[in-house]
Amino acid sequence: EAGVAQSPRYKIIEKRQSVAFWCNPISGHATLYWYQQILGQGPKLLIQFQNNGVVDDSQLPKDRFSAERLKGVDSTLKIQPAKLEDSAVYLCASSLRNYGYTFGSGTRLTVV
Amino acid sequence: DAKTTQPNSMESNEEEPVHLPCNHSTISGTDYIHWYRQLPSQGPEYVIHGLTSNVNNRMASLAIAEDRKSSTLILHRATLRDAAVYYCILRPLVGSSNTGKLIFGQGTTLQVKP
Repeated sequence: EAGVAQSPRYKIIEKRQSVAFWCNPISGHATLYWYQQILGQGPKLLIQFQNNGVVDDSQLPKDRFSAERLKGVDSTLKIQPAKLEDSAVYLCASSLRNYGYTFGSGTRLTVV
Repeated sequence: DAKTTQPNSMESNEEEPVHLPCNHSTISGTDYIHWYRQLPSQGPEYVIHGLTSNVNNRMASLAIAEDRKSSTLILHRATLRDAAVYYCILRPLVGSSNTGKLIFGQGTTLQVKP
């Protein structure tokens, strides 16, 4: 089966600019997650969707981060405006209920 | 959220077995024990998971203590491609009060020497 697709692979922006990341999960996976991984740390959950509804966004910095999942399939994560501390790898994952997650390769964001 | 404790790093020789330990003394009855690994510049990859009984798959084996307060991931013959960060995570059973989210710790960095 095809894996979780993410784009772009890399992005460099200046602070205060905006940026968007796209994720296409595995077909049929109802649950989709966005994680942020800062260098040297484990991934941190930002938001979890079940179909097109938000299940958990308690760790999402809502003053600058937003996410949506259109029609319960693709998802977009946006940062506006970006800060230097947002430099990280942004990982998307999807899963079936109670099964393992499948992660994409991530988008490496550098804010300068 | 239940937490796990893993050594920061371990070393192994190529083609030898590797035992990666994980302590989870506060595990609840509905927590599954999941293992993921992350190779350099890639997203985490599912390795194995279990509830009470030992589990085997093509990648590894998972040995779970009888009281479930600890577990061990076993790589039977380490290769250079197994060098990665290994995460032991407790995942609650998805239900009305649990979303089943994975909370990652620091993991164990495994170095494999030729």
